Amino acid sequence: GENVEQHPSTLSVQEGDSAVIKCTYSDSASNYFPWYKQELGKGPQLIIDIRSNVGEKKDQRIAVTLNKTAKHFSLHITETQPEDSAVYFCAASRFGSGNTGKLIFGQGTTLQVKP
Amino acid sequence: EAQVTQNPRYLITVTGKKLTVTCSQNMNHEYMSWYRQDPGLGLRQIYYSMNVEVTDKGDVPEGYKVSRKEKRNFPLILESPSPNQTSLYFCASSLYGGEQFFGPGTRLTVL
Repeated sequence: GENVEQHPSTLSVQEGDSAVIKCTYSDSASNYFPWYKQELGKGPQLIIDIRSNVGEKKDQRIAVTLNKTAKHFSLHITETQPEDSAVYFCAASRFGSGNTGKLIFGQGTTLQVKP
Repeated sequence: EAQVTQNPRYLITVTGKKLTVTCSQNMNHEYMSWYRQDPGLGLRQIYYSMNVEVTDKGDVPEGYKVSRKEKRNFPLILESPSPNQTSLYFCASSLYGGEQFFGPGTRLTVL
């Protein structure tokens, strides 16, 4: 079945350093790749997403890259701050007419940013 | 304020006692979904609905039921809960399956 593998499961960085989280997906028809941030006691919230016709997307300190051939996508956070500490989930889905938009999530990465 | 609400937020119950977790969204979204979150497994979809009276199974539907009688509401029903349904549950909604907006979660413990 469809699967998304996410690594690492935990990541600890010093404030100001960069953090990278990687995901691999199995369904070659996936065309939408969102990243969600989950803070303690809250539901996941979308922080950035990318569609399969784009190789990279940036939003301030956050960037996502996509390699369709290798079926890899990654989240890059630069100049990390303590408030970036959270659980991050990658996901993949088939988005568009006729598709359900079902999200397949990775297992999650707990990011700790040390002051 | 645009939001997804869930109730209750916390629930402790016993095996076999029927329960319902409510979910409501005020964004007029067509698509609604239920997920369960377990350590090391991420979020797994239980059921989803693409519109009123249209529901379908996700990846882990066993032991759960849903209904979609109104666009804004999508309750999750556990007819006979068992301890393996102890989990953190999230409802989500989206417009046509794009960005999904999640509720705050319901932590369920089945003894």
